[in-house]
Amino acid sequence: AQTVTQSQPEMSVQEAETVTLSCTYDTSENNYYLFWYKQPPSRQMILVIRQEAYKQQNATENRFSVNFQKAAKSFSLKISDSQLGDTAMYFCAFRTDSWGKLQFGAGTQVVVTP
Amino acid sequence: EAEVAQSPRYKITEKSQAVAFWCDPISGHATLYWYRQILGQGPELLVQFQDESVVDDSQLPKDRFSAERLKGVDSTLKIQPAELGDSAMYLCASSLAQGIEAFFGQGTRLTVV
Repeated sequence: AQTVTQSQPEMSVQEAETVTLSCTYDTSENNYYLFWYKQPPSRQMILVIRQEAYKQQNATENRFSVNFQKAAKSFSLKISDSQLGDTAMYFCAFRTDSWGKLQFGAGTQVVVTP
Repeated sequence: EAEVAQSPRYKITEKSQAVAFWCDPISGHATLYWYRQILGQGPELLVQFQDESVVDDSQLPKDRFSAERLKGVDSTLKIQPAELGDSAMYLCASSLAQGIEAFFGQGTRLTVV
């Protein structure tokens, strides 16, 4: 069974600073997808960034980037130039290539302060 | 921009009553998911549909929960009877048949009293 672990319940960062969220996972699959989802208060969960396991290059989406270490089964998210609107719960999620189920971690609450 | 629609947004029900949630996925999305998110935890899959067929309901408490997607479009999740432990956010998501990305609705927050 696949498991996703987020060891940081809450992270606080000041505006314009950088914060890194950690995620580790466990799987015996070789092909899979990793995601970071953002869930703002009272709003729907939206995809921030995704990484295909077969790609060695780390994914980047504007201020969001990942550090994917396949051998270590690690998938961290870096938020650069943090903005107040980045305040949200962030979930790391895993999905195999052949199965639609998303396996989520417990989440990390990010609070951006002025 | 197309969105996954869910209703109601909030529901308060008494223990042992029946409750139902509705989800309308993004048009053309063959795959539909119902997740349950307990406060402070990540979402967990309850049931996954491919068109009108259930492909995964291994975590659905079938003695009290049921889900249907009769025409392969919108879906209903029902709980009967509701228990205090069912208080949670119920999230619906959809994706293309071979799509990697799942799109989520705003969820229905259920409180059982």
